Amino acid sequence: DIEMTQSPESLALSLGERATITCKSSQSVLDSSNNNYLAWYQQKPGQSPKLLIYWASTRESGVPDRFSGSGSGTDFTLTISSLQAEDAAVYYCQQYYTTPLFGQGTRLEIK
Amino acid sequence: EVQLVESGGDLVRPGGSLRLSCAASGFAFNTYRMNWVRQAPGKGLEWISYISSSAYNIKYADSVKGRFTISRDNAGNSVYLHMNNLGAEDTGVYYCARGTHSDIWGQGTTVIVSS
Repeated sequence: DIEMTQSPESLALSLGERATITCKSSQSVLDSSNNNYLAWYQQKPGQSPKLLIYWASTRESGVPDRFSGSGSGTDFTLTISSLQAEDAAVYYCQQYYTTPLFGQGTRLEIK
Repeated sequence: EVQLVESGGDLVRPGGSLRLSCAASGFAFNTYRMNWVRQAPGKGLEWISYISSSAYNIKYADSVKGRFTISRDNAGNSVYLHMNNLGAEDTGVYYCARGTHSDIWGQGTTVIVSS
């Protein structure tokens, strides 16, 4: 089974700073058509998760362009370019190449 | 409006059973894979099952295999999760989510397993 490891577990940054969250899979999630089966979600307290990024780098409709995803194969990154107060949340990666699996989550605090 | 609405969550005794429902509206339900994802109190997200659009392909997480059964009614635009032999570890909020990369989520329904 593929394992997903996110880092860091938590981070605290100031408004306007850049946030970088990484996600590593134990096996490649890249298929022969060059698709990376990797998504990123945001979950705010008391809310359902929200899809931010899919196919590793495709931003979901309506998601602000300060959110971006990159990476391929086994190493992926979610970047928030200039933090806003409303970005405080827990962020999860998920691979859907095989039986879906989420990373353990990264808690982002805005100082 | 594209929407998923879960129901059926309840307080149930250990060893008991429960059926969760997820009603879909606003999209062509019969063309999408559907997932169930759960979240224990204070914990992260755990994918537990999916069913393909035609119900031909079904997968489960090891933690629920043999105890939970996913099904769908494409005529009624609903997906179900039948849960048997429930234990305390099954306590949490259960979400249904649409599609391969879960672009639409319901609000969740709460299952509490306790004596």
